[in-house]
Amino acid sequence: GAVVSQHPSRVICKSGTSVKIECRSLDFQATTMFWYRQFPKQSLMLMATSNEGSKATYEQGVEKDKFLINHASLTLSTLTVTSAHPEDSSFYICSANGRGRGHTEAFFGQGTRLTVV
Amino acid sequence: DAKTTQPPSMDCAEGRAANLPCNHSTISGNEYVYWYRQIHSQGPQYIIHGLKNNETNEMASLIITEDRKSSTLILPHATLRDTAVYYCIVRVGSTDKLIFGTGTRLQVFP
Repeated sequence: GAVVSQHPSRVICKSGTSVKIECRSLDFQATTMFWYRQFPKQSLMLMATSNEGSKATYEQGVEKDKFLINHASLTLSTLTVTSAHPEDSSFYICSANGRGRGHTEAFFGQGTRLTVV
Repeated sequence: DAKTTQPPSMDCAEGRAANLPCNHSTISGNEYVYWYRQIHSQGPQYIIHGLKNNETNEMASLIITEDRKSSTLILPHATLRDTAVYYCIVRVGSTDKLIFGTGTRLQVFP
């Protein structure tokens, strides 16, 4: 089936720095990708919809200047956490809709664990 | 998207069937029922989906009531590796975003 790869899987950064997370669809093209955030023992929260060639659509309460999303090609979306603070520490997950087993379904990356110190 | 309600946790003995319920009483006629699961610290994994008919694949079976207000995911022979959080989601079409509820934490024990 389709594969979505995230990089890096883990990152530790200092407060005030920016961190970029990549999400790639390896064997299919994705005009739309989604970014989620998950805090410990909580469910996934949708942050934004990444649209190839246009601006991302952010969910209510998500700061677009804080979480920059770029979807420059049909196989790559990036999430940049700018001026990171300890409260941004979380598990970030991307997904893309691809063709699998005869139907379209959401394929998820393995996630990126961000720790801001 | 319609809201779903799931029990927060369930236990199941290894080798037995695990039946995970989901209520979606406000589901619309064009909304599908999807099930995903998330094993600790990994991305969610697709399990199965359906509209109104019961569905079965190599992983599980999905039973949807006739009024479509609830469904049950069945893992026929649970293994320890099935321990995960299971999410029931309803949405319109296959390209829409997924809105995750709180899910059911299934613990399979030996």
